[in-house]
Amino acid sequence: GNSVTQMEGPVTLSEEAFLTINCTYTATGYPSLFWYVQYPGEGLQLLLKATKADDKGSNKGFEATYRKETTSFHLEKGSVQVSDSAVYFCALTSGGYNKLIFGAGTRLAVHP
Amino acid sequence: DTAVSQTPKYLVTQMGNDKSIKCEQNLGHDTMYWYKQDSKKFLKIMFSYNNKELIINETVPNRFSPKSPDKAHLNLHINSLELGDSAVYFCASPRGDREAMNTEAFFGQGTRLTVV
Repeated sequence: GNSVTQMEGPVTLSEEAFLTINCTYTATGYPSLFWYVQYPGEGLQLLLKATKADDKGSNKGFEATYRKETTSFHLEKGSVQVSDSAVYFCALTSGGYNKLIFGAGTRLAVHP
Repeated sequence: DTAVSQTPKYLVTQMGNDKSIKCEQNLGHDTMYWYKQDSKKFLKIMFSYNNKELIINETVPNRFSPKSPDKAHLNLHINSLELGDSAVYFCASPRGDREAMNTEAFFGQGTRLTVV
């Protein structure tokens, strides 16, 4: 079945460091790929998405490129801030109705 | 104005009790979901309704029964609560129908259920 695998956290960085969170997927067909972010005590919110191969999603300085050949959708940011501390979820849609399959989540902690 | 709202935000109850969590969306969408997030933050889909009709039931115990009185509301009733039911439950609503694959899902704040 369809699944998403993310690197385990927590990831701890200093402010202004470079961030990469790895995400790979297994899917039949051509899923859309997403990164959602969950700030402490809140629900998930969409960070970025890509709907076909070689698409790049970007938002708030974060980027991820849909790589079909490596079945990956790694999240990157050039310079993280303390306010980026959150849990990041990679996800794909499967089976219509925008059914989301999530990875396990990666907690990011950014220190001043 | 909150797009997806859940009540209550926190729920503490004893084993064996029956409880309900309510969800409402004002987005005009036809589809709503319940997700369960465990203590390790893993999110698992439970149910989905489209226009009041159950379309996804992901091997959830019969003690869990969703109810959708109209397409803007999806409630979750849990009978005979067990310790393992302790989790955060999220309601979500994406735009789209059977063919939809790439639109944003809007999540509620979550309901933290603690069974003691």
